[in-house]
Amino acid sequence: KNEVEQSPQNLTAQEGEFITINCSYSVGISALHWLQQHPGGGIVSLFMLSSGKKKHGRLIATINIQEKHSSLHITASHPRDSAVYICAPGANNDMRFGAGTRLTVKP
Amino acid sequence: DTGVSQDPRHKITKRGQNVTFRCDPISEHNRLYWYRQTLGQGPEFLTYFQNEAQLEKSRLLSDRFSAERPKGSFSTLEIQRTEQGDSAMYLCASSLHGIMNTEAFFGQGTRLTVV
Repeated sequence: KNEVEQSPQNLTAQEGEFITINCSYSVGISALHWLQQHPGGGIVSLFMLSSGKKKHGRLIATINIQEKHSSLHITASHPRDSAVYICAPGANNDMRFGAGTRLTVKP
Repeated sequence: DTGVSQDPRHKITKRGQNVTFRCDPISEHNRLYWYRQTLGQGPEFLTYFQNEAQLEKSRLLSDRFSAERPKGSFSTLEIQRTEQGDSAMYLCASSLHGIMNTEAFFGQGTRLTVV
């Protein structure tokens, strides 16, 4: 079993739909990043959270440390949200990565 | 500061050749990380530096791989005698403190193709 499991692997949505991506991990962590990777490779950290919930625009991230689970939600999805979303939990200098969820939002 | 920059963005090389990649982190960041990402997978840790000191190396980093950060600023990753299995995206990231303790910034990556 992988240390970091994401679901779904692939997700296709219509513009405007509410999106949820889930992440479960088995390692001990101090924090978790949600990363966005566009075609071409560049990665952007959307959130770093260690407890509770964070919101940035249409993006919401939650984490339950006890259950070792985090979710990323996108409200009112838009085609420009199409990307790979990667869950990356860890501690100190050790960042682990999920395989990513490929999101395609159709107009 | 323009963020983390990597050079080159793409590299095609013949098997057996040596290649070197460069990463320029955000100037005040003392932590610098190298990761490798193969198609359809998440990144995997290779090595990290705190200032000029290389503090950890993954077992993925075989003897053919070497990384340096001579003055605690930019870093280079060299692969000697490249193999087709080295084909991947090589990503660099930097942070002010540990990458899980603070905001992390990634470069655009160097995509290596070994033919």
